[in-house]
Amino acid sequence: QVQLQQWGAGLVRPSETLSVTCAVSGGSFSDHYWTWIRQSPGKGLEWIGDITHSGATNYNPSLTSRVTMSVDTSKNQFSLKLSSVTAADTAVYYCATSVGSWAFDIWGQGTMVTVSS
Amino acid sequence: EIVLTQSPGTLSLSPGERATLSCRASRRVTGTYLAWYQQKPGQTPRLLIFGASSRATGIPDRFSGSGSGTDFTLTISRLEPGDFAVYYCQQYGSSPYTFGQGTKLEI
Repeated sequence: QVQLQQWGAGLVRPSETLSVTCAVSGGSFSDHYWTWIRQSPGKGLEWIGDITHSGATNYNPSLTSRVTMSVDTSKNQFSLKLSSVTAADTAVYYCATSVGSWAFDIWGQGTMVTVSS
Repeated sequence: EIVLTQSPGTLSLSPGERATLSCRASRRVTGTYLAWYQQKPGQTPRLLIFGASSRATGIPDRFSGSGSGTDFTLTISRLEPGDFAVYYCQQYGSSPYTFGQGTKLEI
C-alpha cells in the first residue's frame, strides 16, 4: 500500500520560498501522478499541480508563475517549491496521489506552513 | 476552470436521519470525474466516492453518490455519529482540478 510522508519548514518569511517534500513508500514511484494540494481557511482546498516520475508537470494556472515541482527518483521523493510567498500562501500543504480511482485516495499527513515575518 | 458550488453550506441533522448534499458545476464535468471527500477536524480528507458513484475502498454502503453533467449528489442513508464532518466535492476531469467550498454536516 502506497504511503506518503511529508515534511517542510513551518514558518517562511514573506517574499521567500516555501519548500515541502514528500517521500513515497510501499508502491511503485513510476506508476502514479504525484500531486500537491493546499488548504487554507480563506480559500478551502486548492489543487496546486502534479508531476510524474519523469518530471512532467501540470500546474494550476493561478500559481504557475511561482510553482516548481521536482522528483528525486533515487529517493522516491517529490518536492514543491513556491516562491515569493505572502500571507495568502499560509495553509496546510498536502501531498497526494491516486492508486486507481484517479481521485486522491492517498494523502500525506499535511504540513502547516505559516508565512510571517 | 470549473467552479463547484456545494449546498447547503451547513446541514443540521440527527443520527439515523438521511443526508443529501449537493454539488453543482459551472460547466459539464468531463467523464463523471467527480469525487466526494470527508474531512474531520485535524484530519486529512478521506476519499468516499469517485467516478460520481463508485465507493472507495472500505467505505460503507450508507454512502452513495449520483449525478452527471453538472449536478451531483452525495447521500448518506442513515447518519451515524462519526459521519458529522465537512464534505467536499472535487472534479478531476479538467485541469485545473477544483474543489467545492464544502458542506458542514452537524448534529
